[in-house]
Amino acid sequence: KAGVTQTPRYLIKTRGQQVTLSCSPISGHRSVSWYQQTPGQGLQFLFEYFSETQRNKGNFPGRFSGRQFSNSRSEMNVSTLELGDSALYLCASSARQGYEQYFGPGTRLTVT
Amino acid sequence: AQRVTQPEKLLSVFKGAPVELKCNYSYSGSPELFWYVQYSRQRLQLLLRHISRESIKGFTADLNKGETSFHLKKPFAQEEDSAMYYCALRNNFGNEKLTFGTGTRLTIIP
Repeated sequence: KAGVTQTPRYLIKTRGQQVTLSCSPISGHRSVSWYQQTPGQGLQFLFEYFSETQRNKGNFPGRFSGRQFSNSRSEMNVSTLELGDSALYLCASSARQGYEQYFGPGTRLTVT
Repeated sequence: AQRVTQPEKLLSVFKGAPVELKCNYSYSGSPELFWYVQYSRQRLQLLLRHISRESIKGFTADLNKGETSFHLKKPFAQEEDSAMYYCALRNNFGNEKLTFGTGTRLTIIP
């Protein structure tokens, strides 16, 4: 089985721009979660989607949003980028609630 | 609020020596605890979860509810154990949110 894939792997954006990151879960997995990883704050939960519904959201401003499609693929969007949004964004998928989460390689976002 | 604390950012251990990576948590309910590992240039992967009580790659971890700890242990360190280790907690509210500690970088000295 192919693992979780994330595109693009690297991205450079300018302050004020917006960005969309994509995550394709393992085939058959319906739950997708997103995390932000920074040297200062570590791994922080962004949101969780299951069957196209957001089930949980972390403590991030409204500039961070996401969605999940009927094929379980998920996207996250960050609008009005700030320098502090520079981070590695990780996506994880699981077959169902309570099962093991499998992480993708991440998208490295740099905001200049 | 739930919190996970890993007091050691860096830990160096000689090959063949015992390893213990500390993890303490705060959570008022009954949490589920995990250890994740990230080897160099690889993605984050699950090492252990407390409910399975398995031993993976020689590592074990016991949930101590009295001390709110979930320390990771291995009796004899191997060079391939060098990696970043994260302790994580998931609450029992029926969601997938993981709260991670800040991680411990383990280096095994040959």
